[in-house]
Amino acid sequence: GEDVEQSLFLSVREGDSSVINCTYTDSSSTYLYWYKQEPGAGLQLLTYIFSNMDMKQDQRLTVLLNKKDKHLSLRIADTQTGDSAIYFCACKPGSARQLTFGSGTQLTVLP
Amino acid sequence: DGGITQSPKYLFRKEGQNVTLSCEQNLNHDAMYWYRQDPGQGLRLIYYSQIVNDFQKGDIAEGYSVSREKKESFPLTVTSAQKNPTAFYLCASSQQGAGNTIYFGEGSWLTVV
Repeated sequence: GEDVEQSLFLSVREGDSSVINCTYTDSSSTYLYWYKQEPGAGLQLLTYIFSNMDMKQDQRLTVLLNKKDKHLSLRIADTQTGDSAIYFCACKPGSARQLTFGSGTQLTVLP
Repeated sequence: DGGITQSPKYLFRKEGQNVTLSCEQNLNHDAMYWYRQDPGQGLRLIYYSQIVNDFQKGDIAEGYSVSREKKESFPLTVTSAQKNPTAFYLCASSQQGAGNTIYFGEGSWLTVV
């Protein structure tokens, strides 16, 4: 099955850019997602990218997809304290009906 | 407002009791899901349902049961057979054919006392 890996922790200074990385194993993944989870809450869909795209930008968020290396990243520009949360990467392999989630990256924004 | 509503937000259960977590969606989504989240871990799929009156086991279905009698409702029962039920439970739904983009409810905390 699909494996999705993320680093567990990331700390950045307020105003800096954050880059959260994710690797996956199934090259047939067709849709790749980024979710945000604030403490005690559900997951909020931030953005997603189709596998035929290399980059997608949405305001402060930039998603980069390197299909050769099976690497997905989420860049948050001008990171704010309100961006502190857990960020989950998720992939949908072509043959699957459900998403496979990474273990999440805890982003801490320092003042 | 459209969305996914989970209830209760917090639930305490005595050992040996069954409890049912409610999940209702008014997004007209065909598919619904239940995930379990343990501290510091990712999401693990318990059960999912693609259409009414049909559901499939996920990766950790043992000790859980579900029903899908209505499109908008997908309740999860945590039975006494679940050995370690204390966790955060997330319900989600998606529309078939839209990349299976999944939307989540706000979650329910279950604690065994």
